[in-house]
Amino acid sequence: NAGVTQTPKFRILKIGQSMTLQCTQDMNHNYMYWYRQDPGMGLKLIYYSVGAGITDKGEVPNGYNVSRSTTEDFPLRLELAAPSQTSVYFCASSYWGGGYEDTQYFGPGTRLTVL
Amino acid sequence: KNEVEQSPQNLTAQEGEFITINCSYSVGISALHWLQQHPGGGIVSLFMLSSGKKKHGRLIATINIQEKHSSLHITASHPRDSAVYICAVGIQGAQKLVFGQGTRLTINP
Repeated sequence: NAGVTQTPKFRILKIGQSMTLQCTQDMNHNYMYWYRQDPGMGLKLIYYSVGAGITDKGEVPNGYNVSRSTTEDFPLRLELAAPSQTSVYFCASSYWGGGYEDTQYFGPGTRLTVL
Repeated sequence: KNEVEQSPQNLTAQEGEFITINCSYSVGISALHWLQQHPGGGIVSLFMLSSGKKKHGRLIATINIQEKHSSLHITASHPRDSAVYICAVGIQGAQKLVFGQGTRLTINP
């Protein structure tokens, strides 16, 4: 199993550009999450999904969009990039969800800089 | 005030020392997670617990539900234990985690 994979690993965007961060898991997990991690801060939830076709907002959804058309894939779309979106983005997945004794598996992260 | 608070924020110790990292939370939880983030950035799950105590090798995690507090202990610490340790709680009734800000641990040889 590859686990959770993310692409790209690094990206520099100009203000106003758009991009999609890709996330794929091969563990048949129901739950998938997108987090951002700012320097010195804890992980913040952007969006999550409890299954194909079902998504919901987390703590910091503004400026982002998601879709979940398959169990495996959960892309994160940034529209009109802003410097405040400079961060490290992590995708994660689990079978049951955060409220249970269930391992969350994290991808390697995408380091995004908006200039 | 954050729902999940960790202390200390930074900890430096000598190889072999006994390490304790604390996590307090202010909400009802279903489970508490301890995670490790390596210097390269990767995040791995160490423990999940909803009561009592768990042990994996030199790592021990405890939780006191009544006091809303958990501790992560490392015995016989080693430089390879240097990492950021993150506490996260699963909120009752919610399908997501809330994270503490992390504790940066440095073990010197």
